[in-house]
Amino acid sequence: DSGVTQTPKHLITATGQRVTLRCSPRSGDLSVYWYQQSLDQGLQFLIQYYNGEERAKGNILERFSAQQFPDLHSELNLSSLELGDSALYFCASSPTPWGLAGGGGETQYFGPGTRLLVL
Amino acid sequence: DAKTTQPPSMDCAEGRAANLPCNHSTISGNEYVYWYRQIHSQGPQYIIHGLKNNETNEMASLIITEDRKSSTLILPHATLRDTAVYYCIVRVGKDMRFGAGTRLTVKP
Repeated sequence: DSGVTQTPKHLITATGQRVTLRCSPRSGDLSVYWYQQSLDQGLQFLIQYYNGEERAKGNILERFSAQQFPDLHSELNLSSLELGDSALYFCASSPTPWGLAGGGGETQYFGPGTRLLVL
Repeated sequence: DAKTTQPPSMDCAEGRAANLPCNHSTISGNEYVYWYRQIHSQGPQYIIHGLKNNETNEMASLIITEDRKSSTLILPHATLRDTAVYYCIVRVGKDMRFGAGTRLTVKP
């Protein structure tokens, strides 16, 4: 158990719909990251937050958005869903943001993921 | 465009050491090498990281060459539960880029 929680575990929805995925980081971690893993694909970095502020963007579609709240939990919003959005979505957290010099504090701990199926 | 190169797959006999290589020839002087693994569709699991010196923890050992252009993750006594995809990662800017990794299969 990494200490990172994600809800829901599974989500089935229809094309065109909107869903919200939730992530609670490990206690004390200020950084949150979101990743997408499609079937037989590698992990794709989507977005990073640090203490409520967006810090880095990866391959995140304009239909997707995220935020980190004052209590440090984060939500990933996926809208106008398409079949190709079906994937595992992982959240990770770390004490300090990935990208700062130094190690250890950058170590990311991943949640169990949310499996999204768009029909 | 991960900055690392790993063999796509490896096999290892149960109880033997598994040695997983990684090339990271463009690594910068202050960048750490991280290793993660992903068992089936679970969330990636942190294994170990290092900068210059060899590192060891309860899960594995990390051997980094003197020129830092490559490293080897060693699982000293592989078990069937170590079957997973292993990722070697070097930071690319603010991104954590997972390549394809090495699919390690531990066989009885």
